Amino acid sequence: NAGVTQTPKFRVLKTGQSMTLLCAQDMNHEYMYWYRQDPGMGLRLIHYSVGEGTTAKGEVPDGYNVSRLKKQNFLLGLESAAPSQTSVYFCASSFPFGTGAFLRDYGYTFGSGTRLTVV
Amino acid sequence: AQSVTQLDSQVPVFEEAPVELRCNYSSSVSVYLFWYVQYPNQGLQLLLKYLSGSTLVKGINGFEAEFNKSQTSFHLRKPSVHISDTAEYFCAVTEGEYGNKLVFGAGTILRVKS
Repeated sequence: NAGVTQTPKFRVLKTGQSMTLLCAQDMNHEYMYWYRQDPGMGLRLIHYSVGEGTTAKGEVPDGYNVSRLKKQNFLLGLESAAPSQTSVYFCASSFPFGTGAFLRDYGYTFGSGTRLTVV
Repeated sequence: AQSVTQLDSQVPVFEEAPVELRCNYSSSVSVYLFWYVQYPNQGLQLLLKYLSGSTLVKGINGFEAEFNKSQTSFHLRKPSVHISDTAEYFCAVTEGEYGNKLVFGAGTILRVKS
């Protein structure tokens, strides 16, 4: 089925370890995003990308890095995990803003999430 | 920067009663507005969206929302809720150049009781 796929679904890390979360979409979306979800805080944007080879910081970028080497993939890296990074991570993708057909289809498709625990 | 306020963190309601989940956003410039639903241990599913045109938007599962530009609100309503509507609901609004970022509210947990 078309959509956004996140791997892994669950992970437990020790403080200081590193890991990479993978997001893959097969809808030919230009834009991709990484959010984290914490209780009572909704979803907060970590990093995003408006096209292959581009990345930009969101609201809470510290401690994370991202790469978009291929249009369909968006990787989120934690170089040295901290307990404060315990969260549920969601990837999303979308068409760019626009009119006509793009406006009708404008919206964000989310993956099913990655639950990360840092101990 | 855009911000989204969901005025109620939890809303308890009895089955078959009507419900309104409130959402206000900060900017009066042109925005796109969304409501998402998250069932326990699942991802986010789009309920409905306002992009342009009629201010009353109908979505899936019998939900609707009304865009009020003067009050910068986008409240979600359902005339008769079911137990299966128990979930967390998120209001979101676009921000940034070309609307390329989505800003979320903190969420409202809807608890439907029998």
